[in-house]
Amino acid sequence: DIQMTQSPSSLSASVGDRVTITCRASQSISTSLNWYQQKPGQVPKLLIYGASALHIGVPSRFSGSGSGTDFTLTISSLQPEDFATYYCQQSYSAPTWTFGQGTKVEIK
Amino acid sequence: QVQLVESGGGVVQPGSSLRLSCATSGFNFRIYGLHWVRQAPGKGLEWVAVISYDGSNKYYADSVKGRCTISRDNSKNTLYLEMNSLRSEDTAVYFCAKENIAVMVAGTPDYWGQGALVTVSS
Repeated sequence: DIQMTQSPSSLSASVGDRVTITCRASQSISTSLNWYQQKPGQVPKLLIYGASALHIGVPSRFSGSGSGTDFTLTISSLQPEDFATYYCQQSYSAPTWTFGQGTKVEIK
Repeated sequence: QVQLVESGGGVVQPGSSLRLSCATSGFNFRIYGLHWVRQAPGKGLEWVAVISYDGSNKYYADSVKGRCTISRDNSKNTLYLEMNSLRSEDTAVYFCAKENIAVMVAGTPDYWGQGALVTVSS
């Protein structure tokens, strides 16, 4: 199975900060990488698919980049509603897919 | 709007069976693949199973293979997950989710239900 490793596992940031989360795949997955946001007690929401395509309704302060094994999710200016846990997920190895362990973004 | 609503969760004993349902609305159910993804308490997300838009292809995570069966009723816009020989490690919130791309099984769940809690405990 393809392993997905996110870093950091958690981070503290302030409103307005630029935040970057990294996801590394154990083998090349081209651009088959999705990012999800999950707030406490809520449902995961798709933010980005195909490494860099913004899902419908997702604010433009979110962006994704990368290919092969290394990917990043960037929040250009952190907003209060962005405090959540973020997961990457590879959609390359059909028909089984794996998630990263998550990165919790907390208020500094 | 797209809606998915799970039901059928509960507390069961190890070794027992349970069937989860996922009632959907707001999209053309017949042309989308559907996933089950679970989340153990305080843990991350684990993909469980997927079924193609027409039910002809079904795939499972190794952790549930042979114990779970995914199915769908396109006349009722409903997805199911039959779980047998339940273990304590199956305790989780089970989410159903629709595939992002029509007809394909692309591994990109976009809209998710609220989840159903399954607790396996004696």
